[in-house]
Amino acid sequence: NAGVTQTPKFQVLKTGQSMTLQCAQDMNHNSMYWYRQDPGMGLRLIYYSASEGTTDKGEVPNGYNVSRLNKREFSLRLESAAPSQTSVYFCASSEVGAGNTIYFGEGSWLTVV
Amino acid sequence: GQSLEQPSEVTAVEGAIVQINCTYQTSGFYGLSWYQQHDGGAPTFLSYNALDGLEETGRFSSFLSRSDSYGYLLLQELQMKDSASYFCARRDGQNFVFGPGTRLSVLP
Repeated sequence: NAGVTQTPKFQVLKTGQSMTLQCAQDMNHNSMYWYRQDPGMGLRLIYYSASEGTTDKGEVPNGYNVSRLNKREFSLRLESAAPSQTSVYFCASSEVGAGNTIYFGEGSWLTVV
Repeated sequence: GQSLEQPSEVTAVEGAIVQINCTYQTSGFYGLSWYQQHDGGAPTFLSYNALDGLEETGRFSSFLSRSDSYGYLLLQELQMKDSASYFCARRDGQNFVFGPGTRLSVLP
């Protein structure tokens, strides 16, 4: 039972480079999320997708783009990485209204130098 | 507003009971969740309260008072493995907003 799978687990980027974080869930959830977590801090919502074909900005969307490719997959793209984007990124999914449980991937540790 | 407030750190001894409080702003509130996160790991779900009252799941209980915009997580019979960060989170429409987290240290 895979749950939420995200790749890569670790990545080092140079300032200005671009990259895409991939995420897939096998629980048939409608809602998917991308959060970032900085050291000693809580999770801040970057973007979310309430259903296939829709995406919405969260608290900290600047510098990011997302694509809800299909019901299973939700990718996060950094077009021009900045040191301020050094963080741990968590993809998550849920079925809002049915238990309201968020299932998280294992995290992607991104360092921008 | 969407912010949640919780204490930054709590320390307790093995076998004790500890309560972690969370206050939130009320606009658009649907319910309050609690998550546990060990260092280097992903957050994992503990409980969800949509209505006032106490929800019990083994050693962990969660309480909500909507009139006071307040909830808490109660951990009983503390074990060393309970040392972790605990986050309250409010459901806000189709997404979830997390508090800053409370780091619980359990001492022998």
